[in-house]
Amino acid sequence: GAVVSQHPSRVICKSGTSVKIECRSLDFQATTMFWYRQFPKQSLMLMATSNEGSKATYEQGVEKDKFLINHASLTLSTLTVTSAHPEDSSFYICSARSMTSEYYNEQFFGPGTRLTVL
Amino acid sequence: AQSVAQPEDQVNVAEGNPLTVKCTYSVSGNPYLFWYVQYPNRGLQFLLKYITGDNLVKGSYGFEAEFNKSQTSFHLKKPSALVSDSALYFCAVRDQTGANNLFFGTGTRLTVIP
Repeated sequence: GAVVSQHPSRVICKSGTSVKIECRSLDFQATTMFWYRQFPKQSLMLMATSNEGSKATYEQGVEKDKFLINHASLTLSTLTVTSAHPEDSSFYICSARSMTSEYYNEQFFGPGTRLTVL
Repeated sequence: AQSVAQPEDQVNVAEGNPLTVKCTYSVSGNPYLFWYVQYPNRGLQFLLKYITGDNLVKGSYGFEAEFNKSQTSFHLKKPSALVSDSALYFCAVRDQTGANNLFFGTGTRLTVIP
């Protein structure tokens, strides 16, 4: 149990286009989901925290108009990278916090999405 | 404020030898500490956590970690390393305020040499 999926796993796009990444909690409900960004050989950087049905809270330095986050249901959050540029190329990882009794308040991570902007 | 330090970028160990990956933390209040492992192009996999109780925590794949309050450390250990343990390891501390976010260390790359 407690599986988080991400789609797509890899995406290559042209500069100026927008890319949507989906994050789903497959077997549990998650009122809170997190989006991280990871540069090569570096740690995870928290980009934003999203709560179901409300606006995401962005970390300092993260452009909310560029990285649009939607958390429309208890099992789905999406990250849209708008007008992507090569510097947005990175590994994006989502995480979902479980509210079920078995894994209460535990945080589970998706497998990540490799974005390459040409 | 919460923070985690992993002083070693790289740890090399021979297969069959014991391994240690170091982590120190700084928190206000009681620490919630975690270890995660990341394989290439994959997300993070949970290894173990310390919330309260015994200082020695046992986790997945034969790993364990020792919580040391006086030294503010939470080192990851394994008695006998396997080549398949080669990966990137992250120590993390949970923010006890606000959104309960996880704050990660910079990671330690473990290489087990056959």
